[in-house]
This record gives sequence, structure tokens and C-alpha cells, in this order.
Amino acid sequence: EVQLVESGGGLVQPGGSLRLSCAASGFTFSTYWMHWVRQPPGKGLVWVSRMNTDGHTTDYVDSVKGRFTISRDNAKNSLYLQMNSLRVEDTAIYYCSAAITYTGGRYYLDSWGQGILVTVSS
Amino acid sequence: IQLTQSPSSLSASVGDRVTITCRASQGISGYLAWYQQKPGKAPDLLIYAASTLQSGVPSRFSGSGSGTDFTLTISGLQPEDFATYYCQHLDSMPITFGQGTRLEIK
Repeated sequence: EVQLVESGGGLVQPGGSLRLSCAASGFTFSTYWMHWVRQPPGKGLVWVSRMNTDGHTTDYVDSVKGRFTISRDNAKNSLYLQMNSLRVEDTAIYYCSAAITYTGGRYYLDSWGQGILVTVSS
Repeated sequence: IQLTQSPSSLSASVGDRVTITCRASQGISGYLAWYQQKPGKAPDLLIYAASTLQSGVPSRFSGSGSGTDFTLTISGLQPEDFATYYCQHLDSMPITFGQGTRLEIK
């Protein structure tokens, strides 16, 4: 059974930093792209970032470019999101997601963690 | 690429057939997924590649469409189907989601 467990969330002041972790199990972590998706309280889903299998390819939504860094440790079956220069608008539940289902040239996000709340407030 | 879902919310009864539409601002070659999200839970993948049912998802869910216009249909609503539904494209970066459609019990 695929399991993704996020950790590292909490309350941080504007301008501060936080590092989220996602522990993966139940699948061959090193062979799948991984994503972060966030959801501000009471609002919709927003894709944040993705990383390929070997960590050499990354993509980010414009609103976090230069502030957030995605990384992974395949030996530890873990995904990370380093968040710097945090803003009030970064407040959200952050989900780690594995893109395992493949068809027609695309991997779809079919497994999700339970989410972790990040609150940016003074 | 922007995705616009309609309606933003709808009320329906158990047993009804409902359709949610997702329109892309440009063609996305069928790289579209549909998710269901219940309060306090992570999204669940229902449909991928516009029309392929994810394993374990009931057959009352179906997806169709191509180019810029896509639909999610639920035939014979069940009590557990009342939730928020999102479309998502994977055609190009950045990946985006629709704003969501909240399905409520009438």
C-alpha cells in the first residue's frame, strides 16, 4: 500500500523558513516523479512544484520560484520542500503526491499524503 | 493554461445524474484528470487521461472530452459522492487545477 506522510509544518513568521518532509513507503520511490500541491484554507488546490526521479529536473509555480526548493533523497525514500522568505499568502495545507499512474506520456498524481498545515503569521 | 469549471456549485439529489464541465484556455491534448475531495481529506484521483477510470473508482463516474472542453459525469449519485471536484491539466508547466465544483445535497 502506498503511504505518504508529511511532516515539518507549523507556525512561522513572515520572512521565516520551514522545511517540509514527506516519507514514502509501499512503492519504489526512486522511480517516480514527486510533487507538492497546496491548498489555502477554504480554497482550491494549487500545484507548487515537482521533481523527477534523479532530482535533476524541477519545476515550480511562479509564485514560489526563488523562494522554495524541492529536493529528494532516494536512499531515504523522502521528498522535501525548503520554504524560505515565507509570506502570509503561503499559508496552506501542503500535500505531497506521487505520480505513479502513467499513460500516454504523462504521469498522473494518484497517491497523496494526508497534508500538513503551514501557517505564516506574525 | 487556465482551467474554468462550471458550475462552481450545484445541488442534486441521490440518484440524479450530474455533469461538471472543465474548459481549458488552450488545447491540452487530453492530459486531464479529475479529483474528488471531501472535507479534511486529500484529493482522490477519479479519472485520468480525460476518460480513463482510476482503479477502484465506481463505474458511475465517467469522463469525456478533448481539446479544450471536458466533462465529468456522475450517473446515479450516491450519498458518498457529495464532495468538491477538481479538474487538473498536465499538458505543460505549470500544472494547474480548476477552481473546483462543490456538489451539495438538495
